[in-house]
Amino acid sequence: DTEVTQTPKHLVMGMTNKKSLKCEQHMGHRAMYWYKQKAKKPPELMFVYSYEKLSINESVPSRFSPECPNSSLLNLHLHALQPEDSALYLCASRGDRVNEQFFGPGTRLTVL
Amino acid sequence: SQKIEQNSEALNIQEGKTATLTCNYTNYSPAYLQWYRQDPGRGPVFLLLIRENEKEKRKERLKVTFDTTLKQSLFHITASQPADSATYLCALRTGFQKLVFGTGTRLLVSP
Repeated sequence: DTEVTQTPKHLVMGMTNKKSLKCEQHMGHRAMYWYKQKAKKPPELMFVYSYEKLSINESVPSRFSPECPNSSLLNLHLHALQPEDSALYLCASRGDRVNEQFFGPGTRLTVL
Repeated sequence: SQKIEQNSEALNIQEGKTATLTCNYTNYSPAYLQWYRQDPGRGPVFLLLIRENEKEKRKERLKVTFDTTLKQSLFHITASQPADSATYLCALRTGFQKLVFGTGTRLLVSP
């Protein structure tokens, strides 16, 4: 299985809501990533988990809270988001012996 | 400041021609450089990786060159097809676990 799955595909939420994005991979990869991508822009790194520990936080606002419950799962908890947080949120994973990242299809988030 | 720039927002070419995409970077010393393809509303898909000590890499109709003196990579698609139409992103490894993406080039191949 060489796939990274993300749920939901689309999410619409209000600024007072709490929601979560989920990412899953079964390739045995121990590095997992969250990226944010605005329209016509490249993906921007948000967080990196390595062996279930947070190794990189790119100064992301605390309204985004990542979690890595186990080596296959990555969550992104969302709370009190702003309309400018609307974007495509991409999850990726990478194996220890390879350099390429495998991306999921993304969650299209709209904050009203 | 650090920058990764790719040529023009969009590149239009005729089917069968060679598409050449450019990736220029400043203030980085990457150990390797990667190229990804991204279709609308989808995640990027890895295509090729080239290391700092490699000049050229090929895979089927794809060829990548890497000039660390010029701080530039060129990405070629030969015998281009309409199915090659997509956005192509270069990406630099800038630190442990960290990949930074270029601005992207949208390629449109017309029949």
